[in-house]
Amino acid sequence: GQQLNQSPQSMFIQEGEDVSMNCTSSSIFNTWLWYKQDPGEGPVLLIALYKAGELTSNGRLTAQFGITRKDSFLNISASIPSDVGIYFCAGQVVGGGADGLTFGKGTHLIIQP
Amino acid sequence: DSGVTQTPKHLITATGQRVTLRCSPRSGDLSVYWYQQSLDQGLQFLIQYYNGEERAKGNILERFSAQQFPDLHSELNLSSLELGDSALYFCASSVGQVTNEKLFFGSGTQLSVL
Repeated sequence: GQQLNQSPQSMFIQEGEDVSMNCTSSSIFNTWLWYKQDPGEGPVLLIALYKAGELTSNGRLTAQFGITRKDSFLNISASIPSDVGIYFCAGQVVGGGADGLTFGKGTHLIIQP
Repeated sequence: DSGVTQTPKHLITATGQRVTLRCSPRSGDLSVYWYQQSLDQGLQFLIQYYNGEERAKGNILERFSAQQFPDLHSELNLSSLELGDSALYFCASSVGQVTNEKLFFGSGTQLSVL
């Protein structure tokens, strides 16, 4: 199946800092999704991207669908304590069903007060 | 609260045993998906059911099976358990069959095989 490389694996930042993380793949995707998982909970969809070059915001979160369709980026501005969690990217291949949705291994975000 | 209910929340069992994980999708959702989450492999898709029928299969072992019942709840059966089956198992649901719809995940079942 497809492989997604998500980086960084973990981030230790100060409250108020901006955060950047990304996902890259050797495959072309037609959809990129970003999820957040809080401790003890399941992933929750943050942002969905459907077109190459698309830039979409959700509050302090901004995600972009890379022009090559092989990468995506998520930025969080002015981080706050509740941003702590694991962020997952997921890519959906063209014409793929549920078996065509691949998740990255996640970026653990830890915020130091 | 995603509206997806998974039981039990925690399960501790021994190697060789069989367990059943249960999932109730959000009201109105016809698709149920099962995922396995481990530290080294991340979220791995196992299987999808839509309105009672299997729609897509991922890296699901032959020792594992699932079904979706007429009331749309789903069960994931894991048999001849091995230590390596210890993981967090998530159920997700969506309205239709296509995965780029919004998936709503349950809180998961933490399985520990001792």
